[in-house]
Amino acid sequence: NAGVTQTPKFQVLKTGQSMTLQCAQDMNHNSMYWYRQDPGMGLRLIYYSASEGTTDKGEVPNGYNVSRLNKREFSLRLESAAPSQTSVYFCASSVGISNQPQHFGDGTRLSIL
Amino acid sequence: QKEVEQNSGPLSVPEGAIASLNCTYSDRGSQSFFWYRQYSGKSPELIMFIYSNGDKEDGRFTAQLNKASQYVSLLIRDSQPSDSATYLCAVTHSGGGADGLTFGKGTHLIIQP
Repeated sequence: NAGVTQTPKFQVLKTGQSMTLQCAQDMNHNSMYWYRQDPGMGLRLIYYSASEGTTDKGEVPNGYNVSRLNKREFSLRLESAAPSQTSVYFCASSVGISNQPQHFGDGTRLSIL
Repeated sequence: QKEVEQNSGPLSVPEGAIASLNCTYSDRGSQSFFWYRQYSGKSPELIMFIYSNGDKEDGRFTAQLNKASQYVSLLIRDSQPSDSATYLCAVTHSGGGADGLTFGKGTHLIIQP
């Protein structure tokens, strides 16, 4: 049972390049999330999807887009990467949107030069 | 603004002693409380959750919740070097919803052999 799988694990981009971070869960969870984690800032929610077919902005959505491809998959896209987007990105999922624990993937370490 | 506060540490505890980690939150209507453990370079791992006032025990871990004081704590008995990690407190908002989970910045715990 893989849980939440993120790809890639590491990536280096140049400023202005685009890329998509992939996330898939095999726990039949309804809700999925994208966070970034920066030193001294803690985990900050970028976007979330309460259920298949819906997405909503979190605390720090600027510069990102998301797609909930199906119940299992939730992708995060950087259209024009900036050095300020250098971070560790975590995908998480939960059974539902309220009062439920979230389970995290291993993360993607992204550097923007 | 809904906030979750944790002492960043480091908190240094001798092996075999009890480690006590504390968290306060600002939203009086918060309903669910989670503790995550994060090893350096790894993803957050759920270790405890508590919904009701009082204590909840799971092995060497005890979560304590006092909603009147807006305070939640995690006790680790018989601390082991493998418990050395950053512990994140997470709290749901009274409004519910997928964006209703706020993380503290974490307490860095060091268990000294």
